[in-house]
Amino acid sequence: AQTVTQSQPEMSVQEAETVTLSCTYDTSESDYYLFWYKQPPSRQMILVIRQEAYKQQNATENRFSVNFQKAAKSFSLKISDSQLGDAAMYFCAYRLPRVDTGNQFYFGTGTSLTVIP
Amino acid sequence: KAGVTQTPRYLIKTRGQQVTLSCSPISGHRSVSWYQQTPGQGLQFLFEYFSETQRNKGNFPGRFSGRQFSNSRSEMNVSTLELGDSALYLCASSLTGTGGRNEQFFGPGTRLTVL
Repeated sequence: AQTVTQSQPEMSVQEAETVTLSCTYDTSESDYYLFWYKQPPSRQMILVIRQEAYKQQNATENRFSVNFQKAAKSFSLKISDSQLGDAAMYFCAYRLPRVDTGNQFYFGTGTSLTVIP
Repeated sequence: KAGVTQTPRYLIKTRGQQVTLSCSPISGHRSVSWYQQTPGQGLQFLFEYFSETQRNKGNFPGRFSGRQFSNSRSEMNVSTLELGDSALYLCASSLTGTGGRNEQFFGPGTRLTVL
């Protein structure tokens, strides 16, 4: 079964500090793509960052970076210099480049991040 | 370029009724996926349509169905509504097929409440 686990339902961080959201996944496939999506309150989900499983180098996007540990099937998101606008629900997800699964994304249950001024 | 749009944004129905939700993908996108989002469950995949054909289906009962039109707009239908169908239904569009790093672009969702 394809599963994604986010073990931290809620997290908080002081403004300007760094926070790490954890994510583990389970798949027997060797080729896949990993994503972090952000869902602000009452707003649309947007992509934060993505990682190809075949790349060893961790992806970074400005203040957002990931720690991808393929053997451990771990994909954590680090947010540096946290801002009030980072407050949102964060979802970890992956998809398989297979014809039978199409564009299906497998999502975790999310981590609600609060940023404290 | 306009984003993914969903209508209606909010819907209240009673048990036993049926409902149809609509999704218009980003222009040029041929893949439309539907997800059900509930607290504590995250996003559960319903189905995906690509070029008017259902390409993949999640583990939901047959009361949940969908279709896609030639202009890539998609509808999903839920018949015989149950209280447990109350959720945020999200539509996501992608440019095309299975290869590459296809990002899914999400709509704002339709909040369905079943009384």
